[in-house]
Amino acid sequence: KNQVEQSPQSLIILEGKNCTLQCNYTVSPFSNLRWYKQDTGRGPVSLTIMTFSENTKSNGRYTATLDADTKQSSLHITASQLSDSASYICVVTARGYGQNFVFGPGTRLSVLP
Amino acid sequence: DTEVTQTPKHLVMGMTNKKSLKCEQHMGHRAMYWYKQKAKKPPELMFVYSYEKLSINESVPSRFSPECPNSSLLNLHLHALQPEDSALYLCASSQDYELAGGNEQFFGPGTRLTVL
Repeated sequence: KNQVEQSPQSLIILEGKNCTLQCNYTVSPFSNLRWYKQDTGRGPVSLTIMTFSENTKSNGRYTATLDADTKQSSLHITASQLSDSASYICVVTARGYGQNFVFGPGTRLSVLP
Repeated sequence: DTEVTQTPKHLVMGMTNKKSLKCEQHMGHRAMYWYKQKAKKPPELMFVYSYEKLSINESVPSRFSPECPNSSLLNLHLHALQPEDSALYLCASSQDYELAGGNEQFFGPGTRLTVL
C-alpha cells in the first residue's frame, strides 16, 4: 500500500534556530516528492519538488534532501522565522497513468519568539 | 499568473440549503482537482477533471456535485449537506492529468465550509 509518514507530528522551536522534518514513503513506482507549506486555513504552497535523480534542492532557507534508496526525504529550515509557523506536508507521486498523489499527515511547526 | 482563486472564502449553510463553491485558474492547466481537508489532517482527494471531463470520483456522496464549465473554471455544487461535511475545501490545478507525476499542483486558498 502506498503510504507517506512524517515525523515529528509537531515541533516547537525558537526563532532563529534550525530544524529538520522527516518524510518516509513506500510509494511505488516513485515519480517525485514535493514539500508543501500550509498556513492554517490556507491552501498548500509548494516549496520544493524532487525527482528520482535529485538528492538536494534548495528554496531560500528551505533545503530538501532525497534518498531514493532508503525512501526518505528531509526538509531543513535554516534560521527559522515566526512566519515559518505552519504545517509542512510531504506529497509523493507514483509514476504511471493518471493521478496518484499520496499525502503525508504533515508536521505542525511552531516558531516562538 | 500562477494563481488559483476560490470563492467564497467562508461559507455557512444549513442542511437544506443549496450552495456552490467556485474555483478559477488562468495558467492553461488542463487538470483540476477538488480536495476536502479536515482540521489537522492532510487533504483528501474528491474529484479530478481532465480536459473538462470527470476522470476521478473518489466515491464522494452525491450531495457533492462537481462541474467543469470550461478549462478555467471548476464548481462544486452542494446540496443537503451534513454537519460532518464541514471542512476546508481546496481546489488545485496542474498542467496535465496523465502526466500528473511530472507536474506541480497549484492549490487555491480554500473555502472554509460550515454546515449547521
